[in-house]
Amino acid sequence: SQQGEEDPQALSIQEGENATMNCSYKTSINNLQWYRQNSGRGLVHLILIRSNEREKHSGRLRVTLDTSKKSSSLLITASRAADTASYFCATTQTSGSRLTFGEGTQLTVNP
Amino acid sequence: GAVVSQHPSWVICKSGTSVKIECRSLDFQATTMFWYRQFPKQSLMLMATSNEGSKATYEQGVEKDKFLINHASLTLSTLTVTSAHPEDSSFYICSARVGGGRPPLHFGNGTRLTVT
Repeated sequence: SQQGEEDPQALSIQEGENATMNCSYKTSINNLQWYRQNSGRGLVHLILIRSNEREKHSGRLRVTLDTSKKSSSLLITASRAADTASYFCATTQTSGSRLTFGEGTQLTVNP
Repeated sequence: GAVVSQHPSWVICKSGTSVKIECRSLDFQATTMFWYRQFPKQSLMLMATSNEGSKATYEQGVEKDKFLINHASLTLSTLTVTSAHPEDSSFYICSARVGGGRPPLHFGNGTRLTVT
């Protein structure tokens, strides 16, 4: 079964609005990463947050991690049409090094 | 930054034939590469971990005789889909880590396989 579950599955917003995506996982992790995938392409790494961190920023991205709730959120501020893509969370468990991906959120930013 | 090149980007083949997909790390050495499969609008499923100079480690449910993986050098791993069937049609993506296995993963642009 998938380690990560994301919601919403799909999100449609207007340019300039903020987009928030959530990810939940089941087992203890070393870190949690967020990736972006444009349609029909590979994945691009966005940001990594370690299990001992609670919040991290990178440009217009803000990631939070709540290990007690086994959840993370990705916030994209002031969204742009070019942010339209699928966003996946991925976790590395404490018991190993493999990366397990969530189901993904399809974000559409309308111009 | 680290670049992973995957070739071909798309391929159409007939049932029963074999298809080879290449994954190259262009500016770094990758002792370990990962092969994923992705169906439309779904997540990535890890198929196997490719280790340079040794046998690949396959995930449960993945047929090792059908999905042959060869990691002959520190910059190249290949996935061969043997005796392809229409249900093998999918998006295959490789990834690699730079050096000592620390994140993040760097992904190729994927290969769209269509079996007719």
